[in-house]
Amino acid sequence: NAGVMQNPRHLVRRRGQEARLRCSPMKGHSHVYWYRQLPEEGLKFMVYLQKENIIDESGMPKERFSAEFPKEGPSILRIQQVVRGDSAAYFCASSRMGQTPNYGYTFGSGTRLTVV
Amino acid sequence: GENVEQHPSTLSVQEGDSAVIKCTYSDSASNYFPWYKQELGKGPQLIIDIRSNVGEKKDQRIAVTLNKTAKHFSLHITETQPEDSAVYFCAASDPRYGNNRLAFGKGNQVVVIP
Repeated sequence: NAGVMQNPRHLVRRRGQEARLRCSPMKGHSHVYWYRQLPEEGLKFMVYLQKENIIDESGMPKERFSAEFPKEGPSILRIQQVVRGDSAAYFCASSRMGQTPNYGYTFGSGTRLTVV
Repeated sequence: GENVEQHPSTLSVQEGDSAVIKCTYSDSASNYFPWYKQELGKGPQLIIDIRSNVGEKKDQRIAVTLNKTAKHFSLHITETQPEDSAVYFCAASDPRYGNNRLAFGKGNQVVVIP
């Protein structure tokens, strides 16, 4: 079991470019969560997805950010026209079910985005 | 919504001593409280969790206690070792969203001095 796989580990983008972050959940997990971690801060919820369905995107900025989890392939977090404030570590977690009291999260190693 | 606070922000302990990290939460309807350990350059790793129907849980050198009345929970690490040095995050399930997402504290840097 390879765990939650995120790539790339590090991503550098110039202001105005697009960033695409990928997350493959653990085998057997059908729920994906994206969190953002700013320096010296905790993790902030962004979006919760199931296959082909966004369950909760209330933590994601309404502009420039989007997420998907297609029937086939990894979940993608997409940031358009990146700005310096987007620089952060982005973590993906997966679980078998959506109910955290029964099934805890497993996090990936994260993608560290740097906007120059 | 759910607000989780951790203290102290940094904790230094001598190897072999115990470390205690405390967290408070705001929503009494939260029912799941995990602790994560994050080493430099890695993702958070679940180390122990507790549900609201339990007051204490122990796993070898790690224990978590929950006081629902006071709305706080604590992580206890006994006989600390250098490999325990990391950032520790507490979290609480957010009842606004059916408890299927977590609200995290800002983390505690634990330094174990050999």
